[in-house]
Amino acid sequence: DVKVTQSSRYLVKRTGEKVFLECVQDMDHENMFWYRQDPGLGLRLIYFSYDVKMKEKGDIPEGYSVSREKKERFSLILESASTNQTSMYLCASSLEAGQREKLFFGSGTQLSVL
Amino acid sequence: ELKVEQNPLFLSMQEGKNYTIYCNYSTTSDRLYWYRQDPGKSLESLFVLLSNGAVKQEGRLMASLDTKARLSTLHITAAVHDLSATYFCAGRRTGTASKLTFGTGTRLQVTL
Repeated sequence: DVKVTQSSRYLVKRTGEKVFLECVQDMDHENMFWYRQDPGLGLRLIYFSYDVKMKEKGDIPEGYSVSREKKERFSLILESASTNQTSMYLCASSLEAGQREKLFFGSGTQLSVL
Repeated sequence: ELKVEQNPLFLSMQEGKNYTIYCNYSTTSDRLYWYRQDPGKSLESLFVLLSNGAVKQEGRLMASLDTKARLSTLHITAAVHDLSATYFCAGRRTGTASKLTFGTGTRLQVTL
């Protein structure tokens, strides 16, 4: 089974802190994603990476950056955390496999910024 | 820009009843996904619909796709309590490998 592991289930940080959210997948997938999930808004794409060191902005990249130094690991960075970044963060990965492609999600990190 | 709308946002239904969740999308999407999320858990893939008229079924859930109407439906037959969860549909933006746009989700509560 594909496993997408997010390093923390719950995280509490203070405004202005630099925050790192880590995600690791074990299936050699090319594509990795960071979404945030907020009630009433569904999931929104923050950043996307289709290869090592390659990244693309999603729909809401402001206030975030990402790093993908190794294929299996995709990190989301909040340069200076703010209260409006309190949210559930979901990492996902996929193998571009034509019609069979689908996203596999991690269990999420609930981030609270105080 | 692809937009995806689901309705209803919340659905309370009795066991044994049938109901349908609707997913409309605004522009061309080359595939449509349905996901399930249990409280406190991550998203689990249910269906991938690839072409007009596609229908997929698993257990009491059946998903269909009408690309001309830009509509996908998730039909629940004879609901049971175990189906209580939040269901999301998502469209893939054509030509933008793997980037999905999600609906806001439908929270389904099946009462005994």
